[in-house]
Amino acid sequence: QKEVEQNSGPLSVPEGAIASLNCTYSDRGSQSFFWYRQYSGKSPELIMSIYSNGDKEDGRFTAQLNKASQYVSLLIRDSQPSDSATYLCAVKLWDSNSGYALNFGKGTSLLVTP
Amino acid sequence: DVKVTQSSRYLVKRTGEKVFLECVQDMDHENMFWYRQDPGLGLRLIYFSYDVKMKEKGDIPEGYSVSREKKERFSLILESASTNQTSMYLCASSFPRTVGTGNTIYFGEGSWLTVV
Repeated sequence: QKEVEQNSGPLSVPEGAIASLNCTYSDRGSQSFFWYRQYSGKSPELIMSIYSNGDKEDGRFTAQLNKASQYVSLLIRDSQPSDSATYLCAVKLWDSNSGYALNFGKGTSLLVTP
Repeated sequence: DVKVTQSSRYLVKRTGEKVFLECVQDMDHENMFWYRQDPGLGLRLIYFSYDVKMKEKGDIPEGYSVSREKKERFSLILESASTNQTSMYLCASSFPRTVGTGNTIYFGEGSWLTVV
């Protein structure tokens, strides 16, 4: 079983601070990495994807990938109360059971306090 | 925008009933997936399909079956619902079916199923 690990949290940060969310994965053959945000009672929505080592920035969000260390992280700058949600890390890889489906971590709950 | 539509948002069914969950996507995606999400267990893949009339088991296929008669539609079937199938079910789709970058998975809004 390919593992994607996240700290369940909750991670609490004050408004305006940087929130740092981390994810590790077990399969070195993993090819693509995604961060989804999920509000309570809603379905996951894609916020970032990253495929190569380094940083990728999109507005207040930065995804960081280190394939050698097998971790991917998400930084949220100037955190807002509306960022309070569960953040799911997902890894795409091929295996004989799941094909090219995404393998998800269990998510980290983020709480941004005013 | 990609649209994945799950027609039944909230269902309550009795133990032993046959349950159909329907999913339609409007972007001509080849790949479609059914996940279930439970507290503390995260998202788990039930079945997926890469083409019409094609299906593959995911991590937890027991008690479920699927049907893909048309490219845009992927149905999840609970042959005889049980209380441990109470969950949120998420349909998703992506394109294309090849390895590589860019084939992001998009989710429907979810179907909340309660089996009593």
